[in-house]
Amino acid sequence: ELKVEQNPLFLSMQEGKNYTIYCNYSTTSDRLYWYRQDPGKSLESLFVLLSNGAVKQEGRLMASLDTKARLSTLHITAAVHDLSATYFCAVDEGNEKLTFGTGTRLTIIP
Amino acid sequence: DAGVIQSPRHEVTEMGQEVTLRCKPISGHNSLFWYRQTMMRGLELLIYFNNNVPIDDSGMPEDRFSAKMPNASFSTLKIQPSEPRDSAVYFCASSEGLSRWDFGPGTRLLVL
Repeated sequence: ELKVEQNPLFLSMQEGKNYTIYCNYSTTSDRLYWYRQDPGKSLESLFVLLSNGAVKQEGRLMASLDTKARLSTLHITAAVHDLSATYFCAVDEGNEKLTFGTGTRLTIIP
Repeated sequence: DAGVIQSPRHEVTEMGQEVTLRCKPISGHNSLFWYRQTMMRGLELLIYFNNNVPIDDSGMPEDRFSAKMPNASFSTLKIQPSEPRDSAVYFCASSEGLSRWDFGPGTRLLVL
């Protein structure tokens, strides 16, 4: 059974700081997705990573995938309050089923 | 494009009642997924369809849950009879392959 683990589960950080969220998964896959969820809202697609070494960037967020290490990272640069949300990674092990991580609740403190 | 449409957005019902959740996927997407989100269990895949055919329903918790996709533009998830432990947010998602999965706004279900 595929397991997807994120850490940390909770993260409070000051505005302007940098931090990284980690996503580990237990099976071979080169398909990984990052989503953002605001309280009471749906999931918004952030990044789609479909190969080893893939790196995607959008604004202050950058995601990368290392399929050999079964690890993806979501890096936040110079955090701003608007980035406060819960971030999920999800893995497709090749059968079109997305298995989600536990989520990381990010709070940006002024 | 209106995105994935779900109805109702909120549902409050009493234990034992039948509940039907509805989903309209994005036009052209050939896969449809039903997820459930709770604080305790996170996001769980219940069932998914490809080209209107159920492919994997191993996540459906029990026989009280059933899902149908009679055509490419409509799917239902039914719970009969409902129980308080079914209270959750139910998301429908659709995709056209590997590049993008789109989630609907969700149905917030409360069973009293």
